[in-house]
Amino acid sequence: EIVLTQSPGTLSLSPGERATLSCRASQSVSSTNLAWYQQKPGQAPRLLIYGASSRATGIPDRFSGSGSGTDFTLTISRLEPEDFAVYYCQQYGSSLWTFGRGTKVEIK
Amino acid sequence: EVQLVESGGGLEQPGKSLRLSCAASGFTFDDYAMHWVRQAPGKGLEWVSGINWNSGSIGYADSVKGRFTISRDNAKNSLYLQMNSLRAEDTALYYCTKGLAAASWYPFDSWGQGTLVTVSS
Repeated sequence: EIVLTQSPGTLSLSPGERATLSCRASQSVSSTNLAWYQQKPGQAPRLLIYGASSRATGIPDRFSGSGSGTDFTLTISRLEPEDFAVYYCQQYGSSLWTFGRGTKVEIK
Repeated sequence: EVQLVESGGGLEQPGKSLRLSCAASGFTFDDYAMHWVRQAPGKGLEWVSGINWNSGSIGYADSVKGRFTISRDNAKNSLYLQMNSLRAEDTALYYCTKGLAAASWYPFDSWGQGTLVTVSS
């Protein structure tokens, strides 16, 4: 089973700042099968990025994904107040989906 | 508009069974893979099980393999999760999710609001 390690655990930033979230896989992951989700308190997760770099429907272009192999990054170019949330990466491999433990982006 | 409505959660004793259901609407159900994802209180997300459009490909997390069974009824636009031999660690909010496409390896673009399963004596 591929393990996804997200860092940092918590990111404290101010609105308008840039956020860079990391997701590292224990073995190589196909970029096709790497996704990012956002979850706000009391809400279901929302798909942000799929295929490592494609934005899902309705996702603002301040969200971008990049990476390949074992290292993937979610970047939020300028944080808006509604972007403070928990972010999860997810991968598919060997007929299993796994999630990282999440990165919380909090207001500094 | 895609809607996924879960039901069937509740309080059950260890070793007992529960059956979760998910009623889907707003899309052509049999064109998409479907999955169950759970989230223990205050914890992260855990994929539980997935099924492709025609039930020809099914997968389970190791933590539930042999105890849980996923199924779907395309005629009823419904997804199910039969949960047997429940354990305390199965306590979680269970989400029904829709895949981006028919095959199971596409990520999940729609989520229900979840149904809470509590396993306790």
